[in-house]
Amino acid sequence: QQQVKQSPQSLIVQKGGISIINCAYENTAFDYFPWYQQFPGKGPALLIAIRPDVSEKKEGRFTISFNKSAKQFSLHIMDSQPGDSATYFCAASNHDMRFGAGTRLTVKP
Amino acid sequence: DAGVIQSPRHEVTEMGQEVTLRCKPISGHNSLFWYRQTMMRGLELLIYFNNNVPIDDSGMPEDRFSAKMPNASFSTLKIQPSEPRDSAVYFCASGTFGNTIYFGEGSWLTVV
Repeated sequence: QQQVKQSPQSLIVQKGGISIINCAYENTAFDYFPWYQQFPGKGPALLIAIRPDVSEKKEGRFTISFNKSAKQFSLHIMDSQPGDSATYFCAASNHDMRFGAGTRLTVKP
Repeated sequence: DAGVIQSPRHEVTEMGQEVTLRCKPISGHNSLFWYRQTMMRGLELLIYFNNNVPIDDSGMPEDRFSAKMPNASFSTLKIQPSEPRDSAVYFCASGTFGNTIYFGEGSWLTVV
């Protein structure tokens, strides 16, 4: 039932580096693609989101790149910081919202 | 503004007991979702409501699980009887149709 496929499962990046997480989907009815950040013991929180009419959205150090024809989208975290260490989920929505399996990001000082 | 409120935050129960998880969505939101999170299966959508009506319950694992939304400000997820494999974090989330959803802090369920 995995409608959104996410990779990698885990990622280790040095402080100041770029973190890249990728997602792919099959259902072309999806029209909203958010990324969520989850810290231990907390619920997922919206980080950034995009709709398929644009190919890129940037908010601070976080950028979503969206490729509609390939049905892929990715999250780039520039200048990664230890405080970014968390689990990141991509999601895709039409009426409901389906999540990827998650990526555990560790940023080393 | 208050976010999505879930209760209880933590519950430990014995196998066979009934468990009821509660959720108060954000005021004004017309969609409500129940998710289950485990290490093995990630975030699974169990059921979602739109305007208090269940739209898709295909993710509900078994007949032991049921969910209700009697009004716009309250929903319950019930497990009866509970089993050890039901141990997980259960999240409620709310939003407006087709847009961002906001999660509660979760209900951590342990069935022993």
